[in-house]
Amino acid sequence: ETGVTQSPTHLIKTRGQQVTLRCSSQSGHNTVSWYQQALGQGPQFIFQYYREEENGRGNFPPRFSGLQFPNYSSELNVNALELDDSALYLCASSSLSSGRESEQYFGPGTRLTVT
Amino acid sequence: ILNVEQSPQSLHVQEGDSTNFTCSFPSSNFYALHWYRWETAKSPEALFVMTLNGDEKKKGRISATLNTKEGYSYLYIKGSQPEDSATYLCAPLSGGYNKLIFGAGTRLAVHP
Repeated sequence: ETGVTQSPTHLIKTRGQQVTLRCSSQSGHNTVSWYQQALGQGPQFIFQYYREEENGRGNFPPRFSGLQFPNYSSELNVNALELDDSALYLCASSSLSSGRESEQYFGPGTRLTVT
Repeated sequence: ILNVEQSPQSLHVQEGDSTNFTCSFPSSNFYALHWYRWETAKSPEALFVMTLNGDEKKKGRISATLNTKEGYSYLYIKGSQPEDSATYLCAPLSGGYNKLIFGAGTRLAVHP
């Protein structure tokens, strides 16, 4: 196991609602990245947080937002949910101070279904 | 936009067969390439991080090579076992931060 945990495991929401997903990083890691995996595709980068600041963003609208806390745990918030937001959401922790080629350690994901 | 392609999309082999998959990516602005193994209902597991042209890495029966000039990497599994059944993902590192661009993966099924 990677030591990265995510909650909840599964979630069902209605279109237009808001959702918060949580991630606890591996001990000692200062960076967390969030990915969305739609069916049949590879994970798509949403954004990354490094020492509580957003450190890069993929091609996702502003209704996808995040937070990283002093203990390096993290949240992904999605507002005004759309049907296409149904996907597996993965977080991955790493340590940028170990170099950009350092491994990322993934959690098991949260399966979000929007009806 | 970085376009990462993996082939084949899926593969069925018999126990004991050796197999290989391909990951193709644009060769410009290359920094590193990650390989992950993802079993159903588990977290993706890091296999290799490769950075140098000509790099070869090995972990047990699994090995990988990297050609950054032509933009491809091969993953080899020698003597496949049923526990090797998983989706294998490659992801070049892109941009000024630790952003992985994933391919769609190769789904491997090893039959006893």
